[in-house]
Amino acid sequence: DAMVIQNPRYQVTQFGKPVTLSCSQTLNHNVMYWYQQKSSQAPKLLFHYYDKDFNNEADTPDNFQSRRPNTSFCFLDIRSPGLGDAAMYLCATSRGVTDTQYFGPGTRLTVL
Amino acid sequence: KQEVTQIPAALSVPEGENLVLNCSFTDSAIYNLQWFRQDPGKGLTSLLLIQSSQREQTSGRLNASLDKSSGRSTLYIAASQPGDSATYLCAGTRRAGGYNKLIFGAGTRLAVHP
Repeated sequence: DAMVIQNPRYQVTQFGKPVTLSCSQTLNHNVMYWYQQKSSQAPKLLFHYYDKDFNNEADTPDNFQSRRPNTSFCFLDIRSPGLGDAAMYLCATSRGVTDTQYFGPGTRLTVL
Repeated sequence: KQEVTQIPAALSVPEGENLVLNCSFTDSAIYNLQWFRQDPGKGLTSLLLIQSSQREQTSGRLNASLDKSSGRSTLYIAASQPGDSATYLCAGTRRAGGYNKLIFGAGTRLAVHP
């Protein structure tokens, strides 16, 4: 009964080749978040959706975009991955914007 | 600028030791403090959440305290076991534009050896 599911768990892409990471949730939460965590570093919030409202962090690179077609799914698109984008990407959800966040298992992205 | 700092970055202890992990934060707007566990290559599991009106929380062998006036939190692990080996991250919560933003530390990597 996984609640926040991320696919794939491991993704390998080539430098400059667009890649999409997927997150789905069975909690019916209103808010979905994407974090980037580089090796031995703190997770860093990229953006979040409250329902269909998209909120981008000020320092998120333009290379990163997101889509939320419905309540259950949220996608992270990296248009032209660079070597510096290799990281663990964590999805989280919360009922409301001030509620506890629940994290998925993450997708580890490798850029060759 | 590191807003949330965790010391030490890595720790190796023999099984059975009691240990303390430290977290400090400089932002006075942080009002909750949460501790997470992260196993290698995995996501985050929430361990304890200390709300602004609380000073500590306990779950089994884990006890976390929060002192907002000094900007410090500690995670105490009693009678450590090899299964406790993981990275422990703390995260402060602050309001940002009407939503809760988690500000993470880089974690303490704990190894408990038999």
